Amino acid sequence: AQKVTQAQTEISVVEKEDVTLDCVYETRDTTYYLFWYKQPPSGELVFLIRRNSFDEQNEISGRYSWNFQKSTSSFNFTITASQVVDSAVYFCALTNNAGKSTFGDGTTLTVKP
Amino acid sequence: NAGVTQTPKFQVLKTGQSMTLQCAQDMNHEYMSWYRQDPGMGLRLIHYSVGAGITDQGEVPNGYNVSRSTTEDFPLRLLSAAPSQTSVYFCASREDRTYNEQFFGPGTRLTVL
Repeated sequence: AQKVTQAQTEISVVEKEDVTLDCVYETRDTTYYLFWYKQPPSGELVFLIRRNSFDEQNEISGRYSWNFQKSTSSFNFTITASQVVDSAVYFCALTNNAGKSTFGDGTTLTVKP
Repeated sequence: NAGVTQTPKFQVLKTGQSMTLQCAQDMNHEYMSWYRQDPGMGLRLIHYSVGAGITDQGEVPNGYNVSRSTTEDFPLRLLSAAPSQTSVYFCASREDRTYNEQFFGPGTRLTVL
């Protein structure tokens, strides 16, 4: 069975602070896919990034960056210089080769002005 | 493109009633899935389909049925509603089975009294 753990239930920061959201996963598969999604207060789910299990290259996109480490089974997400609009619930997810997806319970990020 | 559409947006049922949540996508995606989102628990996979005529169970399939007769549609049937099925239901589609991101519908908020 596969599992995704987001240990941080809620995080609160002040605008312009950097914040890292942790994601740890468990799987016996050698091929799998990792994702981050954002759910703002309006409720829709928005895709942020994906990674293959064989691609450990970290990525930076504007204020967002992702650190994928197979050795620790982690796929962490950092927001630099956070803004109020970043306030949302963030979900980490894992998809196996059969197409079955497992989501973490989410981290609620509140950015205060 | 309308993307992924879900109807209804809100529904109230009495215990024991049955109903069908509708989901349709116009992106010709192979993969479709149903999730439920309960407070603080993230998204849990109910059923998924990797193509027309093919469905499989997710993490929490009991009490729900699905079928996939066309690529576009993936209805979710509640056989005999129970208060434990009170939740927000999201339908999603993806171009293929694994690598690409999921596109989510706006959700259906279901209350079972």
